[in-house]
Amino acid sequence: LAKTTQPISMDSYEGQEVNITCSHNNIATNDYITWYQQFPSQGPRFIIQGYKTKVTNEVASLFIPADRKSSTLSLPRVSLSDTAVYYCLVGDRNTPLVFGKGTRLSVIA
Amino acid sequence: DTGVSQDPRHKITKRGQNVTFRCDPISEHNRLYWYRQTLGQGPEFLTYFQNEAQLEKSRLLSDRFSAERPKGSFSTLEIQRTEQGDSAMYLCASSLTLGLAGYEQYFGPGTRLTVT
Repeated sequence: LAKTTQPISMDSYEGQEVNITCSHNNIATNDYITWYQQFPSQGPRFIIQGYKTKVTNEVASLFIPADRKSSTLSLPRVSLSDTAVYYCLVGDRNTPLVFGKGTRLSVIA
Repeated sequence: DTGVSQDPRHKITKRGQNVTFRCDPISEHNRLYWYRQTLGQGPEFLTYFQNEAQLEKSRLLSDRFSAERPKGSFSTLEIQRTEQGDSAMYLCASSLTLGLAGYEQYFGPGTRLTVT
């Protein structure tokens, strides 16, 4: 399983764009990159998934360089409600999710 | 689509007792997963089912743990002879494997177990 490395924590002010980078140097050909968000006392929530280049949805953007050894989750104009733990995961559809400790994002007013 | 539900939401039990948790996945989702999460850590995979077949079990799932998914619908996770180290949030997730898309798991709210 490809291991991921991401910052333990980040702070941001409201209204700013937040970029969280994840390293996954040994990503396999069949692996997708998926990000989940988790609030305290809740189960994780799917944010976005991609294989290569750029993916955008109503919540976030995911940037994946050509070598796929890293990825960046971009959250536009964060608000206080975006304070959560963000997990980067790498794997294929037949691999159970392997969560690390994630990145704890704190949004400050 | 009512989402993944879990019951109970909280369970306090004494060491040595047996407990059983239930998970109702999103209807028509063929895969169901169980995870365990302790404070400050990400969820850890325990086991998963495709329909009624249990396809994989983590080494974390000792012989005191058993999971079932009869008829490929809801699932139960039972812990026998609970230990204080079993105190954690137990999360259930479901997904639909279809086509060539990557997986996307939908998580329930979890069952918080406290073993005293």
